Parts: sequence; C-alpha cells; structure tokens
Amino acid sequence: NAGVTQTPKFQVLKTGQSMTLQCAQDMNHNSMYWYRQDPGMGLRLIYYSASEGTTDKGEVPNGYNVSRLNKREFSLRLESAAPSQTSVYFCASRGTGGNSPLHFGNGTRLTVT
Amino acid sequence: AQKVTQAQTEISVVEKEDVTLDCVYETRDTTYYLFWYKQPPSGELVFLIRRNSFDEQNEISGRYSWNFQKSTSSFNFTITASQVVDSAVYFCALSETRRGNAGNMLTFGGGTRLMVKP
Repeated sequence: NAGVTQTPKFQVLKTGQSMTLQCAQDMNHNSMYWYRQDPGMGLRLIYYSASEGTTDKGEVPNGYNVSRLNKREFSLRLESAAPSQTSVYFCASRGTGGNSPLHFGNGTRLTVT
Repeated sequence: AQKVTQAQTEISVVEKEDVTLDCVYETRDTTYYLFWYKQPPSGELVFLIRRNSFDEQNEISGRYSWNFQKSTSSFNFTITASQVVDSAVYFCALSETRRGNAGNMLTFGGGTRLMVKP
C-alpha cells in the first residue's frame, strides 16, 4: 500500500521558472493538502481540497496554484518561482472526520536560485 | 483563529533521561482534536497519536506518554528513558472542524527538535 506519493523528491529551479509538484494517494481519502516546511516555522498550509472538484486557500497561497485532477491526485504549481519559495513541500491526505490524522508523502525539497 | 505553540525550539538530553515536549493550543471550538507527529532525520512525517477534546485521559504507549489538560490548553508529550533513535523534530497539531465543504484543517506548531546524545 503506497499511501501518499509525491514527485519529484528534489528539484532546483531558477527564478522565474515554473514547475508542478505531483501528489497521488491510494487511500480513497476525500481531503488533500499541500504544506510547506521552513526552518522554525513548522508546517504551513498552502492549499487544500476538501473533495474532488473543490480547492481552497490556506495560510500561504500566494505564488501557487493547485488542481484536484480527480479523487486521487492533487498537484501544486509554481508559475514563476521565487527564492522565497525555497522550501520542503509536503502533500497529505486525510479521511473523513476531525479526528482523522493526516497521512503525508515523503516531501519535495525545492531550491530556487 | 486556532494556534499551536511549541515554545521549546530545541532540547538536548543524554540517553536514558526523561524529556517532556510542551504544546499549548488556542481554539474557540468546543470540539477539537490534537495530534503529535514525529519527523526523524530522514524527513518523513510520522503520526504518533491523536486526542479528542472530550477525552482527558492520559495515554501511555511504551516509553511515550501524553498529558492532555483542557484547563491549561496543553497537550504535552513525555519520552521516558530517551534513546538516540528518539532524536527527531516533533510537531503538535490542532484540528478544527469547519462546516460545509471547507474540510477539516490541521494547524501545526513550530516543532521541537529533540537531540538525544549517547
């Protein structure tokens, strides 16, 4: 059982380049999330999707777009990368109910030069 | 708005010492859920435990124990007889409940880096 799969694991971009981070889950979860992790700031929510066909902004959405392609897949796009977007990105999914834990992918380490 | 504070950014202990990681939260919800996650040096995020706001029983799992106190809005995590393998960043998180199609949100604290030295 793969759980949550993220690709790529590492990426280096130059300022202004674009890229899409891919995420897929096989747990039949309705909700999916994108977080970024920066030193000393914990995990901050970028965007989330409560169900297929819906997406909403989180705490730090500027500079990002998302697509909930289907129930399994939730992608994060950087249209014009900036050095401030250097971070580790985690995708997660969650079952129904407030007591359901998040299941995380292994993360993508992105560096923007 | 909900908030989670982990005031200890780094803790260093010697193996076999007991250590407590603090977590203080703020929420206006009457029903909420608290979580602890572990992030070892390899980088993945591992779910450890969840607690409902209406269940204040402490929980013990091997060397790990959790103390939930609504009166002080705290959900502290204690590792007894720490081991080098416990070295990791630990995150506390709070789940609020939103109505409608907005989904359930998890807010994370800033994390505590625990270093256990042999």
